[in-house]
Amino acid sequence: GQQLNQSPQSMFIQEGEDVSMNCTSSSIFNTWLWYKQDPGEGPVLLIALYKAGELTSNGRLTAQFGITRKDSFLNISASIPSDVGIYFCAGQGGSEKLVFGKGTKLTVNP
Amino acid sequence: NAGVMQNPRHLVRRRGQEARLRCSPMKGHSHVYWYRQLPEEGLKFMVYLQKENIIDESGMPKERFSAEFPKEGPSILRIQQVVRGDSAAYFCASSRQTAGGNEQFFGPGTRLTVL
Repeated sequence: GQQLNQSPQSMFIQEGEDVSMNCTSSSIFNTWLWYKQDPGEGPVLLIALYKAGELTSNGRLTAQFGITRKDSFLNISASIPSDVGIYFCAGQGGSEKLVFGKGTKLTVNP
Repeated sequence: NAGVMQNPRHLVRRRGQEARLRCSPMKGHSHVYWYRQLPEEGLKFMVYLQKENIIDESGMPKERFSAEFPKEGPSILRIQQVVRGDSAAYFCASSRQTAGGNEQFFGPGTRLTVL
């Protein structure tokens, strides 16, 4: 089945630093989505990408849909303590279901 | 505008009992998805439903698990004769089908613990 490799697994950064994480797939996706999950809560949609090469921003977050349609990255600029959480990439291929990466756990030290 | 609602938030069952998880989609959304999340893992797709129809159940275990989305009322994920391995967080998502994409919005989840 389809699998997503998300890296890094965890990151420990200082407040104010920029962060980058990415996902790669062995198969092509038509849509890439990035979610953030806080402990005990459901994933919250951050950014949705629909076209290969698309670069989209949402405040301090920027994400890109790779040209090959097999990868995507998420950047967070000038991190703040409330950025702490687990970030998931999710891809959608020919069906409606989302395939999720295993997540990147972000810790921000004040 | 209320988001996706799930209840209960926490559910404890003994082995062999039945678990019923409920999900009300966002207003205006007619597509519902169920996902399961084990600790330290990403979400795994289980089933996709529209009103009164199961569209894709490729992620559902063949036995003990069933899902429905009736014409009236919430979607239900039912697990019969639960075992310890069913302990997980179960998330429901909903979407409104659009030509440009299919953004799925998630509820807060139901955390099932099987004793």
